[in-house]
Amino acid sequence: AQKITQTQPGMFVQEKEAVTLDCTYDTSDQSYGLFWYKQPSSGEMIFLIYQGSYDEQNATEGRYSLNFQKARKSANLVISASQLGDSAMYFCAMREAYGSSNTGKLIFGQGTTLQVKP
Amino acid sequence: DGGITQSPKYLFRKEGQNVTLSCEQNLNHDAMYWYRQDPGQGLRLIYYSQIVNDFQKGDIAEGYSVSREKKESFPLTVTSAQKNPTAFYLCASSKQGLYTEAFFGQGTRLTVV
Repeated sequence: AQKITQTQPGMFVQEKEAVTLDCTYDTSDQSYGLFWYKQPSSGEMIFLIYQGSYDEQNATEGRYSLNFQKARKSANLVISASQLGDSAMYFCAMREAYGSSNTGKLIFGQGTTLQVKP
Repeated sequence: DGGITQSPKYLFRKEGQNVTLSCEQNLNHDAMYWYRQDPGQGLRLIYYSQIVNDFQKGDIAEGYSVSREKKESFPLTVTSAQKNPTAFYLCASSKQGLYTEAFFGQGTRLTVV
């Protein structure tokens, strides 16, 4: 069964520094997608970045990059040059293939609360 | 503007009553999802639907029911069988496919008194 683990309940980072949020996953499938979302205190979910299991390059999107280590089953999010607005809860998610459309269920980890200090 | 609309934003119900949460999308997405989030916790999948007239149970489906009669709509009913229904409920939709991101509504905060 697919599973996502985020072991850091809370993290602090100084403004303008980089921070890494950990995510490990468990799946027996070869095909899967990995996603990161941000949830500010308002509750909305904001998509940040994704990585496909067959992608050889790490995904990047602006200040966000995904450190994908397939053999270790880890997909850590790296935020460079942290800003005060980055303070939020961050979730790692995974989708396995299911059915003819490959649209399996999307499951989430427990999340990491990031606080950026001025 | 395309997006997902959840209504209402806040909902209060008496214990023992069924309540239906609305989720509508105009993104032309085939897949839709319902999640429950408790304070300081992650999102737990209740139900998801890949296509109209089809849906599958997630990890915590007991006490909930859904329907998918139209592509745009995926209402969630919280029944009296759900032991602890007070939570934040999030609806999402996505295109079909393994690598497609999900788009979320603003959420409904349900309080049962």
